[in-house]
Order: sequence, then C-alpha cells, then structure tokens
Amino acid sequence: GQNIDQPTEMTATEGAIVQINCTYQTSGFNGLFWYQQHAGEAPTFLSYNVLDGLEEKGRFSSFLSRSKGYSYLLLKELQMKDSASYLCAVRDGSDDYKLSFGAGTTVTVRA
Amino acid sequence: DAGVIQSPRHEVTEMGQEVTLRCKPISGHDYLFWYRQTMMRGLELLIYFNNNVPIDDSGMPEDRFSAKMPNASFSTLKIQPSEPRDSAVYFCASRAGTGFNSPLHFGNGTRLTVT
Repeated sequence: GQNIDQPTEMTATEGAIVQINCTYQTSGFNGLFWYQQHAGEAPTFLSYNVLDGLEEKGRFSSFLSRSKGYSYLLLKELQMKDSASYLCAVRDGSDDYKLSFGAGTTVTVRA
Repeated sequence: DAGVIQSPRHEVTEMGQEVTLRCKPISGHDYLFWYRQTMMRGLELLIYFNNNVPIDDSGMPEDRFSAKMPNASFSTLKIQPSEPRDSAVYFCASRAGTGFNSPLHFGNGTRLTVT
C-alpha cells in the first residue's frame, strides 16, 4: 500500500511563490502525479515525474527525489484562480495502473 | 473530445434505496476507474477495468457495491441498498493504455446524498 503525506492547508499572496511538499512511502514506485482540483470540480492533471529532478511547465514546476520519497509542486506568480486543492498521487509499483492519492493541500491565494 | 461524462450530477436518495451511477469514458481509452471522495478519506479507488474487464475491485467497500462495464463506452456503479455513510462524490476516470505517464481524465463526478 501507499502512505502519502501533504500539508492540509497553505495560504499565500497573489504574485508570490508557494511550494507544496509531498512525501510518500511505497512498496514500489512507477511515477508521481500532481492534480489540481477546484472546489466542486473534477481533478485535472498538472504534472508527472518518474525520474529525479525538476519538470517545469510554465508557472508550475514539480520536483522528485526517489531516494527520499519526496516531491514538491512549485507555483510561481500566484493568481487568484490558483486557489484550489492540489493532490499528490503515486503510481503503485505492484500495479502500474493504480493511482493512490494524498489527502490534498488546499491553497488559498489572497489579494 | 467531450471528456468523461457522468450522470447524474447530483443524487439524493433515502436509505435502503438502490442507486445507479453512470459513466461514459473518453473514446479510445481502455482503462476506466471509479473513485470515491470524502472529506475524511480523500480520493479512494473503488474498482478499475481494462478493456471492459474488472481488474481490481479490492477497494469496493462491501457487497452492497457493484460495478459493470458492458461495453467500451459505458460503465455503471450500483449501490444496493444505500446507506447514509455512502454519501460522497463519486468520480469516474479513464486513461489511455499506452505509457506510464498517461494521466487519468476525470468526469465531473456525481454528488450522492443518502438520507
């Protein structure tokens, strides 16, 4: 099984940077995903990491360290529309097609 | 691409009644997943299918829950009889089979309230 930990809540100011950490303990590993979920809506895919290092996609970047069981999602130049829950999800090594999700981090962006 | 389509968006029912949730995956996606989301437990995988065949149903809470996928474009999740603790948002998601980095595409969910 998976044990995935994320902070529950974070607050930041418009234009600032926020880093959301995710730690995981797994019996196997085949990749880590980040999803964004606005209140009352479906989760939408943000990023995927399977190798160590940083993946950058516009204002969003995601980092992975497999040896430490650690990832973070970096949100730059925060906008009000970035207020949402951010979910870390790990692909189970014993079943490549199952994703286990963390509880999510609610980010509130203030003016 | 219409995305994953779920119906109904909202369902309110009384304890003991049968509830059927429906899902149409993205055309060409050969994996379909049913998840349940609550404040207490987050997103939990209930069951998933590959090419219409159930592969892993270990997340189905109990025998009151059943899921079917009669063809590549339709799946149902049935709860019979329903209980108040089943109240949650139920998401259906699909993915293409090629590549480990193929992400899940979620439908808009069905918000179920059992009174």
